[in-house]
Amino acid sequence: DAKTTQPTSMDCAEGRAANLPCNHSTISGNEYVYWYRQIHSQGPQYIIHGLKNNETNEMASLIITEDRKSSTLILPHATLRDTAVYYCIVKGGGTSYGKLTFGQGTILTVHP
Amino acid sequence: DSGVTQTPKHLITATGQRVTLRCSPRSGDLSVYWYQQSLDQGLQFLIQYYNGEERAKGNILERFSAQQFPDLHSELNLSSLELGDSALYFCASSVEDSGRNGEQFFGPGTRLTVL
Repeated sequence: DAKTTQPTSMDCAEGRAANLPCNHSTISGNEYVYWYRQIHSQGPQYIIHGLKNNETNEMASLIITEDRKSSTLILPHATLRDTAVYYCIVKGGGTSYGKLTFGQGTILTVHP
Repeated sequence: DSGVTQTPKHLITATGQRVTLRCSPRSGDLSVYWYQQSLDQGLQFLIQYYNGEERAKGNILERFSAQQFPDLHSELNLSSLELGDSALYFCASSVEDSGRNGEQFFGPGTRLTVL
């Protein structure tokens, strides 16, 4: 699975959009981009995933660049409860099966 | 609540001992995954089972073993414990075995402290 690079930390004001970037320049054609978050020491929580098209669900939007070398997770109206570590994961099929490779992630702090 | 349950929540034991962590996946999920999260190593994949069979192995120590039972619950056995095994151990489950499905549902974790 391709390696990802994320900023170590980011701040966001409550009610504003939080835009979390992720670089995955070595992504291959059959690899998906997944986003998870971990609030304090709870179990990681799935947010969203995509292959090449932009995706949106009730939690967030995922924008993937046309060359697929980077992506941005958007939390449209951040709340204090969105303070967490956000992980961008690139995952393919084949022999990696279900394995998720977590990097260091981005610590997002939402301020009042 | 993800639907994945893990017991116990906390475990304190001594070096050299053996412990068993238990995980019940979400109803209908056939895959179970184990992850370890320590301060210095971050979240690391240990092992995956699908419908009772081992599917993938990560950086799991030889002192650690796991299995998935016919009712699909899984156990992670840690033996000859060392101080460095102190960590949060998460179990996750998913419906499929396929590598394309990265949507996994994580349990609340078991915090293991080795003294």
